[in-house]
Amino acid sequence: QEQLVESGGGVVQPGGSLRLSCAASDFTFSTSALHWVRQAPGKGLEWVTLISYDGNDKYYADSVRGRFTISRDNPKKTVYLQMNSLRPEDTAVYYCARDPITSYGPLDAFDIWGQGTMVTVSS
Amino acid sequence: DIQMTQSPSSLSASVGDRVTITCRARQSISSALNWYQQKPGNAPKLLIYAASRLQSGVPSRFSGSGSGTDFTLTITSLQPEDFATYYCQQSYSTLWTFGQGTKVEVK
Repeated sequence: QEQLVESGGGVVQPGGSLRLSCAASDFTFSTSALHWVRQAPGKGLEWVTLISYDGNDKYYADSVRGRFTISRDNPKKTVYLQMNSLRPEDTAVYYCARDPITSYGPLDAFDIWGQGTMVTVSS
Repeated sequence: DIQMTQSPSSLSASVGDRVTITCRARQSISSALNWYQQKPGNAPKLLIYAASRLQSGVPSRFSGSGSGTDFTLTITSLQPEDFATYYCQQSYSTLWTFGQGTKVEVK
């Protein structure tokens, strides 16, 4: 079964750091772009960052650029989100999501999501 | 960033109703528009991609239309399992963005 499983969430003080992981199973990880999307409690979805299939291209939302770093390890089928200088407004459930390659090129949509991991930034 | 605006923010409907949700982009995004359904406590689920293509396994009562700046998600006959929040999302630019969501509630 194709799935993504996030881990690494927790409670951290403002200004602190946290690293999230997202492990993939049963799909061709190395040909898929991976994204992180977050959802603050009771709020909507916010796209955070993406990394291309080979790790060469990375893009970030303005709200996290310069503080968050996405990376991937294709042999380990894992994508990471290093979060530094955390703020209370970063409190959210963080989802990783797949944008797969198809016969026609990238799907340009999230077809598989993880279950999410909660990050709470509070003193 | 490309701002996406959904309307309405919420709506009340009954089983069997036809439901329409709209999504407007601040600039043209061609057909790079996706729709997701999210139920409380769960990750979102892809319904429609590329504005009008039905994701595998999604019931045919869901459909999408539009291009450029204006898009629509239609549920032709609302079922009990369709009460949820729906989000549009653009993948035209390298910085993807979501609409604010539309909550479909029981009337």
